Amino acid sequence: QVQLQESGPGLVKPSQTLSLTCTVSGGSISSGSYYWSWIRQPAGKGLEWIGRIYTSGSTNYNPSLKSRVTISVDTSKNQFSLKLSSVTAADTAVYYCAREWEFSDLYYFDYWGQGTLVTVSS
Amino acid sequence: DIQMTQSPSSLSASVGDRVTITCRASQSISSYLNWYQQKPGKAPKLLIYAASSLQSGVPSRFSGSGSGTDFTLTISSLQPEDFATYYCQQSYSTPYDFGPGTKVDIK
Repeated sequence: QVQLQESGPGLVKPSQTLSLTCTVSGGSISSGSYYWSWIRQPAGKGLEWIGRIYTSGSTNYNPSLKSRVTISVDTSKNQFSLKLSSVTAADTAVYYCAREWEFSDLYYFDYWGQGTLVTVSS
Repeated sequence: DIQMTQSPSSLSASVGDRVTITCRASQSISSYLNWYQQKPGKAPKLLIYAASSLQSGVPSRFSGSGSGTDFTLTISSLQPEDFATYYCQQSYSTPYDFGPGTKVDIK
C-alpha cells in the first residue's frame, strides 16, 4: 500500500520560502507511470493544484504560482519537495502531496498525503 | 486555462435519497474528469475517474456520467458516511483545476 507523508515547518514568516517534503513509502517513486504533485487548500476553501514532477525530473507548474514554485525529486530518498518563495498570508493553507496515475491516457490522483498546515505569519 | 464549475454549492439530503451533483468545464475536456470526496480534516479520496470509471473499493452507489463539458456525479442511495464535500477535477490539461466543491449535509 502506497503512503505519502508531508513534512516541514508549520509556520513561515512573510517574504520567506516555504519548504515541504513528501516521503513516499510502500513503493518506489521511480517505478511506474506516475507524476508527483502538490495541491493546497486554504481553510474553508477549495483545492488548488500547485504543480507536479515526473521521475525524469520534468515539471509542470500552475502559471498563477510558477514564478515562485520549484518542485524537485530525490529518488535516493524516495522523496519529492516543494519550495514556494516570497510567501504572504495568502499562501496559508493545508498542503497535500499526491500521486497522479498517468497510464493508458488516464490521469487522476489516486493516493494523497494526510496534509500539513502551513501558516504564514510574523 | 480550463475552469470548472459545480452546482449546487451545497445541498441538504436525507439518508436513502438520490443525490446528483453537476460539474461543467469551460471547454470540452472529453472524458478527462475525476470526482473526489473530502471529509473534514481529511485528504480528498478518489471516487470516479475518466468521468464514469469507479475507483477500486468505492461503493457502487456512486456513479459518474458525461463527456465534453457537462458531467454528473450521482449517489443512488445516500448513506450516513456520504455526508462530505465533493469536488470535480479536469485532467485534460495542466494547469489542473478543481471545481469549487459541493457540500452534502444532513437534512
